[in-house]
Amino acid sequence: DAKTTQPPSMDCAEGRAANLPCNHSTISGNEYVYWYRQIHSQGPQYIIHGLKNNETNEMASLIITEDRKSSTLILPHATLRDTAVYYCIVRVAQGAQKLVFGQGTRLTINP
Amino acid sequence: GAGVSQSPRYKVAKRGQDVALRCDPISGHVSLFWYQQALGQGPEFLTYFQNEAQLDKSGLPSDRFFAERPEGSVSTLKIQRTQQEDSAVYLCASSLPGLVNEQFFGPGTRLTVL
Repeated sequence: DAKTTQPPSMDCAEGRAANLPCNHSTISGNEYVYWYRQIHSQGPQYIIHGLKNNETNEMASLIITEDRKSSTLILPHATLRDTAVYYCIVRVAQGAQKLVFGQGTRLTINP
Repeated sequence: GAGVSQSPRYKVAKRGQDVALRCDPISGHVSLFWYQQALGQGPEFLTYFQNEAQLDKSGLPSDRFFAERPEGSVSTLKIQRTQQEDSAVYLCASSLPGLVNEQFFGPGTRLTVL
């Protein structure tokens, strides 16, 4: 699986959009970008995934650059409950695949 | 509906003791994963089951670690002769095969070895 690079920490004001970047310059053509988050004392939680098109669901939006070497997870209106560690993971989608977590980005939402 | 459950939530063991950690996956989920998460680090893969078959155990750190899923549902991770470096949160996840392959995680078991 391709390696990802994320900033170790970020801050965002409550109610503002939180934009979390991820670099994955060695991504292969059949690899998807997945995002998970882990709230303190809980297991990781799936957020969203995409291949090359931008994706949106009830939790977040995922913007993938045209060359697929980087992506941004957007939480449009961050709340205090969005404070967590966010992991960007690159992997093939087909078949059951283990997740390879990096260090992630610790996002703190400030009141 | 019920999610993935794990027990116990917390376990304190003396060095050298054996421990058994239980995972109840979401009903019907074929795939089951175990991960180990050290303090301040991301989770690291230990082993993977498809039904009762253990298809990947490449992440198990030593032969003191053993996992089983005899009936393709509940799984147990056993650590023999625990060492201080085994102290971590042990996470279990389950999933259905498919394009999304979303893994659903339990709350984890925090193991402290004294």
